[in-house]
Amino acid sequence: DQQVKQNSPSLSVQEGRISILNCDYTNSMFDYFLWYKKYPAEGPTFLISISSIKDKNEDGRFTVFLNKSAKHLSLHIVPSQPGDSAVYFCAASALGGSNYKLTFGKGTLLTVNP
Amino acid sequence: DTGVSQNPRHKITKRGQNVTFRCDPISEHNRLYWYRQTLGQGPEFLTYFQNEAQLEKSRLLSDRFSAERPKGSFSTLEIQRTEQGDSAMYLCASSLPLLGRYGYTFGSGTRLTVV
Repeated sequence: DQQVKQNSPSLSVQEGRISILNCDYTNSMFDYFLWYKKYPAEGPTFLISISSIKDKNEDGRFTVFLNKSAKHLSLHIVPSQPGDSAVYFCAASALGGSNYKLTFGKGTLLTVNP
Repeated sequence: DTGVSQNPRHKITKRGQNVTFRCDPISEHNRLYWYRQTLGQGPEFLTYFQNEAQLEKSRLLSDRFSAERPKGSFSTLEIQRTEQGDSAMYLCASSLPLLGRYGYTFGSGTRLTVV
């Protein structure tokens, strides 16, 4: 049972345009959502997070939107740059005793074309 | 030290051999995690340490796997009698208690290939 789902294995966008990466979840106990970026042969790097009590968080070119009623979040990258080409993972942590554990989606490969 | 360090970066071993990986977390982080990532999948939780105490082990961690964190500093992950299905990227991460807000810091991983 996959609690965090990234249904698009890949996404291709032109440099300068917006990239929108989507993530759906099933567990209502998730209280924080995080996005990670991963280059080949490297570990994932933390990008941005959002608390379940908020609907938007922005950091430079990266904005995460959360729709709790739809159990959906998205990461917007504007403007997209070739260096953004990587695999993006959505992750979530739950309230309670397992609040140290992150549950990851399968990732979306973003390719930004010059 | 500004990051999580993992050694070795790559390990090729024959089926049935034992392997050990090491992780050095960020010194201020008392929480340490091991995850495994296979092709096309996201990282999957294996185990969690708070200081030297191992507080959770995933059911993915069979009896052939053991992890330690002596003195709450570095950690080792040992796989005994390796099988081809153990081939994966093994990721170590560390964090502060405010996990949700700041997330984990991952190391670069150890790529294990069992032949």
